[in-house]
Order: sequence, then C-alpha cells, then structure tokens
Amino acid sequence: QVQLKESGPGLVKPSETLSLTCTVSGGSINDYHWSWIRQSPGKGLEWIGYIHYSGSTNYNPSLKSRVTMSIGTSKNEFSLELNSVTAADTAVYYCALDSGSYYGMDVWGQGTTVTVSS
Amino acid sequence: DIKMTQSPSSLSASVGDRVTITCRASQNINNYLNWYQQKPGKAPKLLIYTASNLQSGVPSRFSGSGSGTDFTLTISSLQPEDLATYYCQQSYSALRTFGQGTNLEIK
Repeated sequence: QVQLKESGPGLVKPSETLSLTCTVSGGSINDYHWSWIRQSPGKGLEWIGYIHYSGSTNYNPSLKSRVTMSIGTSKNEFSLELNSVTAADTAVYYCALDSGSYYGMDVWGQGTTVTVSS
Repeated sequence: DIKMTQSPSSLSASVGDRVTITCRASQNINNYLNWYQQKPGKAPKLLIYTASNLQSGVPSRFSGSGSGTDFTLTISSLQPEDLATYYCQQSYSALRTFGQGTNLEIK
C-alpha cells in the first residue's frame, strides 16, 4: 500500500522559496500523477499542480509563475518549490497520488504546516 | 478553469438523518467527479470516485450520483463519526479543481 509523507521547513521568510519533499513508500513512483494541494487556515482545498513520473507537469494557473515540481533523483520522492512567498502562502501542504481521471486522489500524506513570516 | 460549486456551505443534522450535499460544475465533466471527507485536523480521504463508485473501506451509507454538471453525495443514515467537511473535485480537466466544501455538523 502506497504511503506518502511530506517534509520540509515549517517556517519560510517572505520573498524566499518554499521547498517541500514528498517521500513515497510501499510502491513505485513510476506511473500516475503526483500532486500537491494546500489548505490555508480555515479555508478549503486548493490544487497546486501535479507531476507525472515522466516529468511532465500541470500547474494551477493562479500559481504557475511561482511553482516548480520535480521528481527526485532517488525516484521515490517528488518535490515542490514555490518562490517569492508571502503570508498568503501560509498553509498546510499535502502531497497526494492522483490515480487518474477515473480513480481520483486516493492516497494522501498527513500534511505539513508551512508558515511564512519574518 | 472548471468551477465547482457546493451547496449548502454548512449544514447541521441529527444522527440517523439522511443527508444530501450537492455539487455543480461550470461545464460538463461527464462523470469525472470525486468526493472527499476531511475530519478536523486530518488529511482529506477519498470517499467516492467517478461520481458513484465507493472507495474501498468506505461505509455503504455513503453514495454518490449524477453526471454532466450536477452531482450529489448522500449519507443514508448519519453517524456521529461523519462530522467532517466534504469536498467535491473534478478530474475531467487536467487542471483539477475542488468545490469550496460543505461543513457537516451533528446536532
């Protein structure tokens, strides 16, 4: 059974780059789409984007200019970078397995809280 | 982008009640509609995929229906553990979008 776990700094300064990694265990990263979703305090879910194991990406247009996703060299992790962060980027960040249009996002990480503050 | 609109935004119901949440897409998404449950302080969990398919391990009191632009999530007999926020999400477009959520409270 695939499991996901997010990791990265819990505090990022304004204007800097937020960097998170999602480690995949119990399965292979070779297939499907690997997603990032965030949830600002008291708000709903916002899809950030996904990366396919081949390296192709799709990003939320509202964040596209600041987002980069990549597959790790070890091939059992994928990463998110969000640059030029502001307080509005403070959120819980989740990684998830998007098993395709038919099956939905069927595996989620536990989430990691990132606060943007000086 | 495809906009997903849920109603109501919040509701309160009693144990044993039948509860229905609706989700409307801004364009035809066939049946590429998924439902998630998020309990307080937890990650979302997939309940229903492709409008009406129950994810493994999800209680049978949950069901989904609809196609095109209008969809519903039904809880046939509300249980205390169903306290949560429920989200719909379309997977028709490569640019995934979620509804704003429905906060379900137990009376």
